[in-house]
Amino acid sequence: EAGVAQSPRYKIIEKRQSVAFWCNPISGHATLYWYQQILGQGPKLLIQFQNNGVVDDSQLPKDRFSAERLKGVDSTLKIQPAKLEDSAVYLCASSLEGQETQYFGPGTRLLVL
Amino acid sequence: KQEVTQIPAALSVPEGENLVLNCSFTDSAIYNLQWFRQDPGKGLTSLLLIQSSQREQTSGRLNASLDKSSGRSTLYIAASQPGDSATYLCAAQDSSYKLIFGSGTRLLVRP
Repeated sequence: EAGVAQSPRYKIIEKRQSVAFWCNPISGHATLYWYQQILGQGPKLLIQFQNNGVVDDSQLPKDRFSAERLKGVDSTLKIQPAKLEDSAVYLCASSLEGQETQYFGPGTRLLVL
Repeated sequence: KQEVTQIPAALSVPEGENLVLNCSFTDSAIYNLQWFRQDPGKGLTSLLLIQSSQREQTSGRLNASLDKSSGRSTLYIAASQPGDSATYLCAAQDSSYKLIFGSGTRLLVRP
């Protein structure tokens, strides 16, 4: 069974530029999560989708971050414009509906200069 | 608001030593407590999941305990090996399946 796929794996941009990350969850997983992990910290949930609807986006900085999950499968997380403090690893995870186990992708490492 | 704390932040031990990693949480109304392993440049691998009604879980050389009343969990690693070197994260999960993570313990097992 294929795992959670993320791309790109690495991205370097300058502040005020835009960037987008892509996540493909495990087939059949209705729930999708995006986490931000700053160096030296644990992952922090940014947004949780159930199919193509948002369940929780309370910690998503909505002035610059946006996320969508069209058709309830793949998801895209966008940052526009990026700030230095957005440098982090962005992790995507997925789970079966109503299940507690989340499966994590390898993450996208973002460096904002 | 749930807060999860892990101590120590870093640990270096010689191979073969038994060790304990600590995790504390502020809100005892958790759905479960999970331990993950994170290797550099990689995602998270689930190690153990303890339901709120359970006291401990074991997998090979790993044993995790949970004391909800005191807001604590420990991860015990027996006979440590260099391959155990990684960052260990604990996370409290609520009934909506949201995970709140600690900052992790970076473990180095020296040959």
